[in-house]
Amino acid sequence: EPEVTQTPSHQVTQMGQEVILRCVPISNHLYFYWYRQILGQKVEFLVSFYNNEISEKSEIFDDQFSVERPDGSNFTLKIRSTKLEDSAMYFCASSTVDYGYTFGSGTRLTVV
Amino acid sequence: AQSVTQLGSHVSVSEGALVLLRCNYSSSVPPYLFWYVQYPNQGLQLLLKYTSAATLVKGINGFEAEFKKSETSFHLTKPSAHMSDAAEYFCAVVKAAGNKLTFGGGTRVLVKP
Repeated sequence: EPEVTQTPSHQVTQMGQEVILRCVPISNHLYFYWYRQILGQKVEFLVSFYNNEISEKSEIFDDQFSVERPDGSNFTLKIRSTKLEDSAMYFCASSTVDYGYTFGSGTRLTVV
Repeated sequence: AQSVTQLGSHVSVSEGALVLLRCNYSSSVPPYLFWYVQYPNQGLQLLLKYTSAATLVKGINGFEAEFKKSETSFHLTKPSAHMSDAAEYFCAVVKAAGNKLTFGGGTRVLVKP
């Protein structure tokens, strides 16, 4: 069964550093998303991406965040200057036109 | 705007007993509804989804859910709990394909032997 692949599985970074989280969505999917889950809390939407541009973003997705689809396969989330409160599990997802939403296994980001 | 409310952040069931997880939705348009399961330190796995076909939806691992428009509910059930069902379960709603999923707060299930 096709999978959404995320790397790395765990990243530790110092406050103020830039991080890039990487995702390879399912190849025939059209829509791409990033979500985050702070430990013990609900899954929160960050941003959706379609046709090489952002289609929707949440209040969490401020100027410190950016997304890119640099080639036909990768989808990245960049945090420019990490804060302690950015520590969370970040999930990438992709979907089809018939509501097939598939999530990756996540990247656990720890900001120290 | 769409939203979902999951009643009960924690549910404890005995092995072999009925599992019932409640989800109520709010949506200005006909919703599409999902249940996901998250095992410890893992990602989100789709259990089942409702996309306006049959109102009773069967999923993986013996779970099913019934869409009830009159009650704005999409409760998840499993007749007989197994120890491996211990996990967190999330209900989610979307208004159209390609839109964001909006998740409920989650319900953590504990299965007692």
